[in-house]
Amino acid sequence: AQSVTQLDSQVPVFEEAPVELRCNYSSSVSVYLFWYVQYPNQGLQLLLKYLSGSTLVKGINGFEAEFNKSQTSFHLRKPSVHISDTAEYFCAVSSRGNEKLTFGTGTRLTIIP
Amino acid sequence: GAVVSQHPSWVICKSGTSVKIECRSLDFQATTMFWYRQFPKQSLMLMATSNEGSKATYEQGVEKDKFLINHASLTLSTLTVTSAHPEDSSFYICSATPGAGGNQPQHFGDGTRLSIL
Repeated sequence: AQSVTQLDSQVPVFEEAPVELRCNYSSSVSVYLFWYVQYPNQGLQLLLKYLSGSTLVKGINGFEAEFNKSQTSFHLRKPSVHISDTAEYFCAVSSRGNEKLTFGTGTRLTIIP
Repeated sequence: GAVVSQHPSWVICKSGTSVKIECRSLDFQATTMFWYRQFPKQSLMLMATSNEGSKATYEQGVEKDKFLINHASLTLSTLTVTSAHPEDSSFYICSATPGAGGNQPQHFGDGTRLSIL
């Protein structure tokens, strides 16, 4: 079984400040990791994914995430946020041979002007 | 690329009505499609996994007779909420993936907000 923990349910950040959204996972097998963003009343959009290789992955909209196997983490970062980044962010994990995604509970990022 | 279209985006209907939601992959063939339910301010709950040409696999606690899933082609899956009641009101989201193996990201539709009066 696998699980995902997003400890921060809400993160307020001033515009142009950096942000880190935390994600920790638990799994007995090798995992694939994803970050999705959800804007109000919309589906989810893929921000970035880690499948293998370099542990630092870059995604869309200036976001990046780093896979840390020893700490079982996949934190999402952005050096300077914009108002348009206000949304719900979900971390998710799947594993080899299993397309099912296990989602975290989400983090609501609010950008303060 | 990898666009998933979900229709309708909003449905309001009377209790006892059956409602069909369509999920289409527009520019790729979807080996597997997934149906999720999302309650306000909560994460996505997987309802079922659907593979083209075979019966859907439902998650524990999801009534298969209540939520009928059909995946008749590689680009279309439908979810029918039968005899809907107010407690079925929710945001339903589908996703599709072009391949098996777990390393293909899921591509999501924009969701359907279902309101049962």
